[in-house]
Amino acid sequence: QKEVEQDPGPLSVPEGAIVSLNCTYSNSAFQYFMWYRQYSRKGPELLMYTYSSGNKEDGRFTAQVDKSSKYISLFIRDSQPSDSATYLCAMSAPGAQKLVFGQGTRLTINP
Amino acid sequence: DAGVTQSPTHLIKTRGQQVTLRCSPKSGHDTVSWYQQALGQGPQFIFQYYEEEERQRGNFPDRFSGHQFPNYSSELNVNALLLGDSALYLCASSSGTGGNEKLFFGSGTQLSVL
Repeated sequence: QKEVEQDPGPLSVPEGAIVSLNCTYSNSAFQYFMWYRQYSRKGPELLMYTYSSGNKEDGRFTAQVDKSSKYISLFIRDSQPSDSATYLCAMSAPGAQKLVFGQGTRLTINP
Repeated sequence: DAGVTQSPTHLIKTRGQQVTLRCSPKSGHDTVSWYQQALGQGPQFIFQYYEEEERQRGNFPDRFSGHQFPNYSSELNVNALLLGDSALYLCASSSGTGGNEKLFFGSGTQLSVL
């Protein structure tokens, strides 16, 4: 079983829809949770960074962490065609030098 | 402010050859990590360099080695290339090694092994 599981999609929604992306994990030591966006042939770009449980909002993006369920989510409101990309969840434990990534979800927003 | 820069952007090699990839970290960052991203997969941690030393290593064979220079830039070397080494190689930089740092990635080097 992988440490981090993420539905690879692909996910296709109309412009303006609310998008929900999710990851589950098995390592209870994870304390830092991130969402990265990756456009084709580019490196991952950090979108959201959350410590421990709770919600964090940044513009149209909201990240949620539920450590009791080992489940994290990213919500995108008023989705735009420019949001079309692969979204990667990533997490790390205190003192660890590495990020553990999910497989990535490929998202397409249709105009 | 320049971000993380990697060179070359693309590379084609044949099995058994050796390759060197280069990375310059974001200004103000002193730690460099390398990741391998196979097609359709998330990045996998190779190793991290801080103060010119390898601090942690992922589950990669000794064919993968690295180096960090006094100016914090880094190289990734892969010997005896296999077809399975074909992937996007990503460099990420951060400040410090506490485990909670935000990583900033370069655009990667696409390596094809024929």
